[in-house]
Amino acid sequence: QSALTQPASVSGSPGQSITISCTGTSSDIGGYNYVSWYQQHPGKAPKLMIYDVSNRPSGVSNRFSGSKSGNTASLTISGLQAEDEADYYCSSFTTGNTAYVFGTGTKVSVL
Amino acid sequence: QVQLVQSGAEVKKPGASVQVSCRASGYTFTSYHIHWVRQAPGQGLEWMGAINFSDGIPTYPQKFRGRVTVARDTSTNTVYMALSSLSPEDTAVYYCAREVGFLKHFDYWGQGTLVTVSS
Repeated sequence: QSALTQPASVSGSPGQSITISCTGTSSDIGGYNYVSWYQQHPGKAPKLMIYDVSNRPSGVSNRFSGSKSGNTASLTISGLQAEDEADYYCSSFTTGNTAYVFGTGTKVSVL
Repeated sequence: QVQLVQSGAEVKKPGASVQVSCRASGYTFTSYHIHWVRQAPGQGLEWMGAINFSDGIPTYPQKFRGRVTVARDTSTNTVYMALSSLSPEDTAVYYCAREVGFLKHFDYWGQGTLVTVSS
């Protein structure tokens, strides 16, 4: 089971919007609406930002939104802020030799 | 508040085993899973397995079957993850994470436990 494919890095200026893609297969992203996104600051544990493709947990800013089309999921951060600078990982429930697969990770930089 | 508190850092020699604990507090859900996810230095996240806290039934990915064991102690709300036959490639931060019911996402994470495998 291969990791989901994400761009290594994405950057933007404060106030701009950026989108991170996450590409999988019909066995994971394409087959289930169980895509989640996690934010990880250096030396910290991951934090849930989006679940079930597009739902935000309580307390997560509405600047974060998620979507999915076919085998690709996306995370959009609007009104980019300095505190958004972190690594972001997508994840999906899957079938096969594992139950969960994570993305390769994307480093978001705020210029 | 919900907390998952993990045991401290470990240093092990190749071929040894390690056990990491994760104590849950601050919630009363009776149906939840505790998952284990690891992250090698500078690398991404990797799912290692999980346990249904209600019935104690574990699930492991094929990669770790036979080498990882996840168990729980209901009297202390603690989950244990044991990994055997360690190699330097197992050097990583190991996280526990909670899944409520069968919701298929991890809403709270432990602080992480660094396991270093070195001769």
